[in-house]
Amino acid sequence: QLQLQESGPGLVKPSETLSLTCTVSGGSISSDGYYWGWIRQPPGKGLEWIGSISYSGTTYYNPSLKSRVTISVDTSKNQFSLKVSSVTAADTAVYCCARRGPSSGHSYDPWGQGTLVTVSS
Amino acid sequence: DIQMTQSPSSVSASVGDRVTITCRASQGISSWLAWYQQKPGKAPKLLIYAASSLQSGVPSRFSGSGSGTDFTLTITSLQTEDFATYYCQQVNSFPITFGPGTKVDI
Repeated sequence: QLQLQESGPGLVKPSETLSLTCTVSGGSISSDGYYWGWIRQPPGKGLEWIGSISYSGTTYYNPSLKSRVTISVDTSKNQFSLKVSSVTAADTAVYCCARRGPSSGHSYDPWGQGTLVTVSS
Repeated sequence: DIQMTQSPSSVSASVGDRVTITCRASQGISSWLAWYQQKPGKAPKLLIYAASSLQSGVPSRFSGSGSGTDFTLTITSLQTEDFATYYCQQVNSFPITFGPGTKVDI
């Protein structure tokens, strides 16, 4: 079945850029009608939608993060990526990637297991 | 942005209890609502989509209802594995937003 796996550094320094990749297996990232998204959760807090991208590169971002976020897709590698620039301690969170599409009422399913990114010097 | 609220923020229950969680949207979202279950250290798991459709593999003791601005998630006959935090999410419009969560514990 479809599986997603996040990868990237677990520690990022303040003011630097956080970079994560989500690798999709068991299915194609180029499936029409699906979007691939990033959601984060600061320790002990709730869920925040960061943004999403289609296989053709159409993106949607949370306005609260839009100026610092870039999501891109690499169909040849079946991957999509997240970059968050100028990070601060407030960006410390578990970052999850997930698929959104018609098979789940445009909700997110499945999800990756998540990866903790800590912003600290 | 569409704001999502949930009540209660936490509920203490016992195995076999019926639990109802309410989610309210700040404006109408038709049936574009999902419910997720999250256990500590795990990613959220989709339970219900389109307000009332049960995701494949999810036990039938979970059900969702509502449309417009008011929605409910009901768990009939709570099981040990159901103790978790539950989030609603609107997918009607961008930015996608989540409720603050409801913790179900003993």
